Amino acid sequence: AQKITQTQPGMFVQEKEAVTLDCTYDTSDQSYGLFWYKQPSSGEMIFLIYQGSYDEQNATEGRYSLNFQKARKSANLVISASQLGDSAMYFCAILNQFYFGTGTSLTVIP
Amino acid sequence: EAGVVQSPRYKIIEKKQPVAFWCNPISGHNTLYWYRQNLGQGPELLIRYENEEAVDDSQLPKDRFSAERLKGVDSTLKIQPAELGDSAVYLCASTDRAKETQYFGPGTRLLVL
Repeated sequence: AQKITQTQPGMFVQEKEAVTLDCTYDTSDQSYGLFWYKQPSSGEMIFLIYQGSYDEQNATEGRYSLNFQKARKSANLVISASQLGDSAMYFCAILNQFYFGTGTSLTVIP
Repeated sequence: EAGVVQSPRYKIIEKKQPVAFWCNPISGHNTLYWYRQNLGQGPELLIRYENEEAVDDSQLPKDRFSAERLKGVDSTLKIQPAELGDSAVYLCASTDRAKETQYFGPGTRLLVL
């Protein structure tokens, strides 16, 4: 059974615009952490942002923010003011259970 | 601070040959992970080490895969013999015991011909 679902295989966004990458998850744990990673073509997984299941406020990290809706089991990543360097694969994950989604490929258009 | 180091970055071998990957985690990180990432998929855990002890190797195909972390620092993942289906990116990650965030290396891209 799929534990992390990323329904958008590919997304396009105009440079300087905002984009939302969707992530829904399934876990029976009460305490968990949601992570987003960026994987450029070079292959390295780069940590972007973390949201704890008990955190009351949505996480933010520079241009990245996480729209966390616990009741819906949703943890969407919002990238504001997109840059060309944001073009990459993006993965949502629950690391303590080693669940990764299948990723969303983001392309930023000049 | 140096990140997770992996070598080689790329490896091309013929099927039935052995291959080994090396990983050096971030200094002071007790926990080390090996993942396999197939094309178009997210990473899948192969094995997790706490210091030198393998605490989760349930997903490691033990008939052909082996791993070691003898001194609780760097680690080696070996495949012998390699099969065509082993073509993938092998990622190593590490984390501090007190924290959950995993930091990944650049991976080794393996192509088995």
